[in-house]
Amino acid sequence: DGGITQSPKYLFRKEGQNVTLSCEQNLNHDAMYWYRQDPGQGLRLIYYSQIVNDFQKGDIAEGYSVSREKKESFPLTVTSAQKNPTAFYLCASTRQGGSGELFFGEGSRLTVL
Amino acid sequence: EDQVTQSPEALRLQEGESSSLNCSYTVSGLRGLFWYRQDPGKGPEFLFTLYSAGEEKEKERLKATLTKKESFLHITAPKPEDSATYLCAVNSGGSNYKLTFGKGTLLTVNP
Repeated sequence: DGGITQSPKYLFRKEGQNVTLSCEQNLNHDAMYWYRQDPGQGLRLIYYSQIVNDFQKGDIAEGYSVSREKKESFPLTVTSAQKNPTAFYLCASTRQGGSGELFFGEGSRLTVL
Repeated sequence: EDQVTQSPEALRLQEGESSSLNCSYTVSGLRGLFWYRQDPGKGPEFLFTLYSAGEEKEKERLKATLTKKESFLHITAPKPEDSATYLCAVNSGGSNYKLTFGKGTLLTVNP
């Protein structure tokens, strides 16, 4: 079955450590996105990529980094510069030329102790 | 700047009690309005896309409608399994499909 796989589902880290969240899709979608979700907040865009080897900052990119070396993969690194990294992270993808509906993964919950 | 406001923040219904959720939006040019359902601890699941005022779409007990300023998600005779957070999002244009999301409405349907 086609879909988006995020891993790990739960992650605990100490302050000051960088962590990388994995996102893999087998939908053959061109565009991929990372969103952050906090209680009582809407989804906020961190980074997005429309093509391999290219990506753009979203609304809250500070303290995060990404790479897009393969069409299927869009990993997100939460660096020690991110002031409040504890959150639910969602990866999504969509087909270029489509109507724009995003398909989401199951999410990764990061807790910084 | 695009804005999406959803109301109410939370809604409790009895099984079979129909109601509506509201999504009001301000965008420079609407290229699509999206409804998603999100279960606790899961990623959002796509429900509908609406493009122009007057458009309606249905899926089981859900019907989404669109005007020039807002969208409604009507829930007819809901069941407990309809309990979830419903998210509304807009795409204001461009080929990057950057969506602006509302904060969601938490729907609880009691048996």
